[in-house]
Amino acid sequence: DTAVSQTPKYLVTQMGNDKSIKCEQNLGHDTMYWYKQDSKKFLKIMFSYNNKELIINETVPNRFSPKSPDKAHLNLHINSLELGDSAVYFCASSQGMRISTSGVSETQYFGPGTRLLVL
Amino acid sequence: KNQVEQSPQSLIILEGKNCTLQCNYTVSPFSNLRWYKQDTGRGPVSLTIMTFSENTKSNGRYTATLDADTKQSSLHITASQLSDSASYICVVSGGEHDMRFGAGTRLTVKP
Repeated sequence: DTAVSQTPKYLVTQMGNDKSIKCEQNLGHDTMYWYKQDSKKFLKIMFSYNNKELIINETVPNRFSPKSPDKAHLNLHINSLELGDSAVYFCASSQGMRISTSGVSETQYFGPGTRLLVL
Repeated sequence: KNQVEQSPQSLIILEGKNCTLQCNYTVSPFSNLRWYKQDTGRGPVSLTIMTFSENTKSNGRYTATLDADTKQSSLHITASQLSDSASYICVVSGGEHDMRFGAGTRLTVKP
């Protein structure tokens, strides 16, 4: 199936641990994103990345780092996990980020989410 | 204060009825506005994308409107189905890398 996939689906870990969440897209897109959805259901963008530039939301702690081994993958690594990191993390992808000359914006495709619980 | 406000926070309707969800924003400059549907436990799925030059766009039973002057958008759902039960999220882009998300409206369609 063509899609954006994430692993693991659920992640329960202790405070202070380091963990990674993997994301893969087989849509041939050149831009990938990580979002955090908190308990109030707000979706907040954390990173956007294509093969040219990484855009970091300045509110994201530097304990979070995206790593892209290739164009189809953007993994999220989290150091020294804290209780407040508990949330659902969504990966997404799109073809480009700019509005084209026709005025139509790109569509983002989201993964199923990774539910992280820090104890 | 969030720059994208959605109302109502939650809505319950009977199957077959129509409903309208609202999105007001203060994001400026304005680039585009999107509506997403997010089923429980799933990632958001794009319904519509509108730029400043568009004031209505349909996707099946979903019709989105945009008034860039008053900075308001609505999502109208016609002849609701049980599968429409989900959260509907309004997202306003102010620039190339600036996407502001509303908190969503939780819609429940009952038989």
